[in-house]
Amino acid sequence: GAGVSQSPRYKVTKRGQDVALRCDPISGHVSLYWYRQALGQGPEFLTYFNYEAQQDKSGLPNDRFSAERPEGSISTLTIQRTEQRDSAMYRCASSSRTDTQYFGPGTRLTVL
Amino acid sequence: GQQLNQSPQSMFIQEGEDVSMNCTSSSIFNTWLWYKQDPGEGPVLLIALYKAGELTSNGRLTAQFGITRKDSFLNISASIPSDVGIYFCAGQKPPNTGNQFYFGTGTSLTVIP
Repeated sequence: GAGVSQSPRYKVTKRGQDVALRCDPISGHVSLYWYRQALGQGPEFLTYFNYEAQQDKSGLPNDRFSAERPEGSISTLTIQRTEQRDSAMYRCASSSRTDTQYFGPGTRLTVL
Repeated sequence: GQQLNQSPQSMFIQEGEDVSMNCTSSSIFNTWLWYKQDPGEGPVLLIALYKAGELTSNGRLTAQFGITRKDSFLNISASIPSDVGIYFCAGQKPPNTGNQFYFGTGTSLTVIP
């Protein structure tokens, strides 16, 4: 079946604007993870959900970052009042069990 | 955030050679995963390990879950040009300390034909 999809694939925004990044997990996958990946680095955990419940948000850098998964499927990562340091690749992963995961193609965010 | 120590950072090898890379941590993990990432793409899962001491193969790839639960290694035998990419390890802590995955710093592999 289809893999994890993310949209948009690229987002350029001005500093101070809000952005919403979307993740559509593999159908039926219970768990959904959000990561941020800087160039040349491994993915850095942000938050994860089991069904619609946010299980851990300890990786969110500050209160400008939030995520939701209201119906236990699609998830949105929102960054308010973006700053240049928020520029990165944002990746989503989903899994049918909590001890493995499959990644989407990512959203490249550039804050000018 | 916490990241695992992965070595070597980069490797340049001749086609046909075997490759070995490893990942270490000061923390115990319940699960180890190995991923390959091509430029512009998301990480693709290669091998998953769930038990200390476990040795698992996937074609030319072999990975082991260290007996101390603090390390893992990945071997690639008879490398080919399409093995080029960045390899990441990822460890998952025991459930009572959260289900987060922590990623290694990556090993960049170049295979010279």
